[in-house]
Parts: sequence; structure tokens; C-alpha cells
Amino acid sequence: AQKVTQAQTEISVVEKEDVTLDCVYETRDTTYYLFWYKQPPSGELVFLIRRNSFDEQNEISGRYSWNFQKSTSSFNFTITASQVVDSAVYFCALSERSASKIIFGSGTRLSIRP
Amino acid sequence: DAGVTQSPTHLIKTRGQHVTLRCSPISGHKSVSWYQQVLGQGPQFIFQYYEKEERGRGNFPDRFSARQFPNYSSELNVNALLLGDSALYLCASSSLGVVTDTQYFGPGTRLTVL
Repeated sequence: AQKVTQAQTEISVVEKEDVTLDCVYETRDTTYYLFWYKQPPSGELVFLIRRNSFDEQNEISGRYSWNFQKSTSSFNFTITASQVVDSAVYFCALSERSASKIIFGSGTRLSIRP
Repeated sequence: DAGVTQSPTHLIKTRGQHVTLRCSPISGHKSVSWYQQVLGQGPQFIFQYYEKEERGRGNFPDRFSARQFPNYSSELNVNALLLGDSALYLCASSSLGVVTDTQYFGPGTRLTVL
């Protein structure tokens, strides 16, 4: 069965600190896709990244970076030099190739204090 | 280009009533998915439609139904509302409805059942 665990319910850091959001997943499929979404207070989910199970290369996009490790079934998200605008709820998600749905974790609420 | 639009933004109903939520996908997108997000949790998959056909269904009771129209817009219907149906209902559209497609989410409809 598919499952996504985000153990950190809430994180609060001071602006300019680096912060890492953890994500652990479970799946029996060998082909699957991992996602991160951002949900600001407006409620709309904003797509950040999609990774397939065959691509373990880390990815960097500006201040954002993602670390995918199949050995530990983890797909962690790091924000470098955090800013107040990064405050939101972040969701890690998983989809198996055979499925039409995305399974979301319970989310991590990130608060960046000025 | 307009993003995914949903109507209404907010809705208040009483137990036992029926509700219809509407979603218009991004122009050119043929797939629509519906998710329920209860406060403090991640979104849960309800339905996916592609080319007016149901492609996937989540673990929701038969009180939940949906359809997709020839213009690819979609309706989600919920009968015999329960207090537990209070949630943010999110619609997502994608081009082909396959897992490698990026799903773009709308702002959601917040349903309150009293």
C-alpha cells in the first residue's frame, strides 16, 4: 500500500535560516513518482517538483533543493536562506505508475519569523 | 491563461442537504481530479475523470458522485451531507490525466456543514 509520512507537523525558524522538511514514503511499485506541493494561506496547492523513481539525482532550484534517497525511502526538501514568503504548509506526495491518484502526506506547517 | 477555477468559493449547508461543486480546468486540459482536504490533513483523492470517463475513484461512499462535461468542466455532487463532509474541496486539472502530467490545482471550495 502507498503511504507518505511527514513526521514534522510544524516548524518555525527565523528568516535566513536553512530548513529541511522530511518526507518518508512506502510503496510496492518499482516505478513511482514523488512530489512536493506548497499550500499558502489562500488554499491553492502549488506544484514544486516531481521526481520519478529512476532518477535519484538531487535537484536544486534557486533556494530550494531536494534530496531523494531510495535506500531510505526519503524525499527531503531544503529551503536555504528562508524568507517570510516561504511560510506555508508543504505537502509531500506519491503516485504509483499504475494509479490515477496522488497520495499526500499530512503536511508540514512552516513558519518563517522575521 | 486562466488557471483552474472553482465555484463557489464558500458554501454553508445543513446536514442531509445536497451540494454541487463546479470546476473548470485549464484550457486544453482533458482531465479533472477531485480531492477532499479536511482541516489539518493532506488532500484525499475522490475521483479522476478523463474525456468524460471515470478513470479512478478513491475510498469515498456512494453519496459522492461526479461527472465531466464535453467542455471538460466537472461537477462534484455530495448527497445527504454529514458534518464530516466539512472540508476544502480541491479540483486539479492535467493535460492527459497520467501520472507523469503535472496536476494544477484550483483555489478550492470550502464547504461547511452545520
